[in-house]
Amino acid sequence: AQTIHQWPVAEIKAVGSPLSLGCTIKGKSSPNLYWYWQATGGTLQQLFYSITVGQVESVVQLNLSASRPKDDQFILSTEKLLLSHSGFYLCAWSLEVWGNNYAEQFFGPGTRLTVL
Amino acid sequence: GQQVQQSPASLVLQEGENAELQCNFSSTATQLQWFYQSPGGSLVSLLSNPSGTKHTGRLTSTTVTKERRSSLHISSSQTTDSGTYLCAIDSGGNYKPTFGKGTSLVVHP
Repeated sequence: AQTIHQWPVAEIKAVGSPLSLGCTIKGKSSPNLYWYWQATGGTLQQLFYSITVGQVESVVQLNLSASRPKDDQFILSTEKLLLSHSGFYLCAWSLEVWGNNYAEQFFGPGTRLTVL
Repeated sequence: GQQVQQSPASLVLQEGENAELQCNFSSTATQLQWFYQSPGGSLVSLLSNPSGTKHTGRLTSTTVTKERRSSLHISSSQTTDSGTYLCAIDSGGNYKPTFGKGTSLVVHP
């Protein structure tokens, strides 16, 4: 069975400090991977997606970057955090292109980030 | 761009009552997925239903593509159903879903 892990579970960071969030998917080969962000009380927004190792597409500009160093790993990072980066970060995967009929996305448990 | 409107914004039920959640979208959807978001924030996929009617357990989703709307019916609600229900749409097969703001459901014992 496939499993998706995110780390850390929660972070409290200072404005201007660096950030690295991770996501690992086990049990699926060559998944499509996604990063999402949700501000407290806000709408879920897709940030990045990746369909293959080394290739990442940006969807929303939030002064964040993403990388896919391995087939099963997706990293979200920034060198300088802003207050506006606070929120809930979710990693997701899909086997088929999300947009095909009946393709589904499956989400990790999320990382809650507080920037002070 | 695609817009997704969910209604009602919130719903309060007594256990055993049925719930009807609506999702309206501005452009033709090639994919539509309903999610449950727990109070802790995690998301669980409930149904993928871009057209027609689909059942799973106590859930029934009906999507009328031409009318750009989808509904999620929860029968015999339980306290554990409490949380937020999100609708997500893709309108171009381009990996970029648009989410609605959700319907917050509270089920009292």
